[in-house]
Amino acid sequence: EPEVTQTPSHQVTQMGQEVILRCVPISNHLYFYWYRQILGQKVEFLVSFYNNEISEKSEIFDDQFSVERPDGSNFTLKIRSTKLEDSAMYFCASNGGAGNYGYTFGSGTRLTVV
Amino acid sequence: AQKITQTQPGMFVQEKEAVTLDCTYDTSDPSYGLFWYKQPSSGEMIFLIYQGSYDQQNATEGRYSLNFQKARKSANLVISASQLGDSAMYFCAMREESTGGFKTIFGAGTRLFVKA
Repeated sequence: EPEVTQTPSHQVTQMGQEVILRCVPISNHLYFYWYRQILGQKVEFLVSFYNNEISEKSEIFDDQFSVERPDGSNFTLKIRSTKLEDSAMYFCASNGGAGNYGYTFGSGTRLTVV
Repeated sequence: AQKITQTQPGMFVQEKEAVTLDCTYDTSDPSYGLFWYKQPSSGEMIFLIYQGSYDQQNATEGRYSLNFQKARKSANLVISASQLGDSAMYFCAMREESTGGFKTIFGAGTRLFVKA
């Protein structure tokens, strides 16, 4: 069964450093998403991406965050200057279209900012 | 404003019994989708079931069914014949169209414990 692949599974970084979280969505999917989940809390929407541009973003997704689809397969989330409160599990998801199907989530990247 | 409400932070069920996890939602969009996801202790998010706002029938997927009551804006998940492996966090989610496209928002989740 097709999978969404995220790397790395765990990243530790120092406060103020830049991090790039990588995702390979399912190849024929059109919509891509980043979500985060602070430990023990709910899953929060960050951003959606379609047709090589951001289609929607939340208030969490401020100027410190950016997304890219640099080639036909990768979808990245960059945090420019990490803060302690950025520590969370970051999930990438993809979806075939605006239709009736749930998203396929990657297994997540646990980001720890120290 | 809270758009997805899951009022049960934790639920216990005996193995082989059925359990209902509650979810209410709020939207003014006539077209929306409702989802349930399972998150085991390993952390991954697993899609379980989907209900479209225009679907006439309640969605079913194996042991999962969605009790969709549109007028009450509720989308409860029913798990029949619970298994130990069903112990997990369950999230209700809603997809609605917004200014830039579609986004899906999640409820706070319900942790289900299945007892042997």
